[in-house]
Amino acid sequence: EVQLVESGGGLVQPGGSLRLSCVVSGFIFRDYEMNWVRQAPGKGLEWVSYISSSGGSSIYYAESLEGRFTISRDNSKNSLYLEMNSLRVEDTAVYYCVKGDRRQYYYYMDVWGKGTTVTVSS
Amino acid sequence: DIQMTQSPSSLSASVGDRVTITCRASLSIGTYVNWYQQKVGRAPTLLIFAASSLQSGVPSRFNGTGSGTDFTLTISSLQPEDLATYYCQQTYRTRALTFGGGTKVEIK
Repeated sequence: EVQLVESGGGLVQPGGSLRLSCVVSGFIFRDYEMNWVRQAPGKGLEWVSYISSSGGSSIYYAESLEGRFTISRDNSKNSLYLEMNSLRVEDTAVYYCVKGDRRQYYYYMDVWGKGTTVTVSS
Repeated sequence: DIQMTQSPSSLSASVGDRVTITCRASLSIGTYVNWYQQKVGRAPTLLIFAASSLQSGVPSRFNGTGSGTDFTLTISSLQPEDLATYYCQQTYRTRALTFGGGTKVEIK
C-alpha cells in the first residue's frame, strides 16, 4: 500500500522556523517527483513546492513564499522535507506531502498524505 | 502565474442530478488540467488527469472535457458520497502549478 506520512507540524511564533518531514512507503521513492501543497483554514489548495526525482535537477517554489522555504529529499531514507523559515501568520495551514506522476507529457498528483498542521501565532 | 477560475463556487443538487463544474484558464493550456475531489476533513484525491482521463478506481459517472482555456467536470448522476469540494489544477507550467478556487457540492 502506498503511504505518505507527514510530521513536524506544530505551533510556532511569527519569525520562527519549522522542518516538515514526509516518509513514504509502498513505491520506489527515488523514481518519482514530489510536492508540498498547503491549505489554509477554510481555504483552497495552494501548491508550495516541487522537487524532481533526483532532487538536484529541478526544484520550484510558489512565488508567494519569497524564498523562505526550502524543499529537499533523501532518497536513501524515502523522505521528503520542507524547511520553513521566517514564518508568517499567513503560512498557517495543513501541509500535504504529494506524490507526482506522469503519463506521457501529462503531470498529476496521484497520492496525498493526510497532512500536518502548521500554526503560526504569537 | 496561470490563473484558474472555477465556477460556481458552490452548488446544491439532488441525488441523480447531472452536475457541471467549469474551470477557465487565463491562457491556453492544451489539456494540461487535472481535477481533484476533497471530502471534509480528508486529503484531496485525483479524479481526472489530462483533462479527460479517468484515474483508476474513479467511478465512471465522473467525466472531464475541454481544451485550451475552458474545462468541465461533469458528474452524470450525483450520489450522496459525491458531497465534496472539487478543484481543477493546471500542469501546463510545472514551475508554477496552480489550482482553481474550488467548487463546493452539496446535496439537497
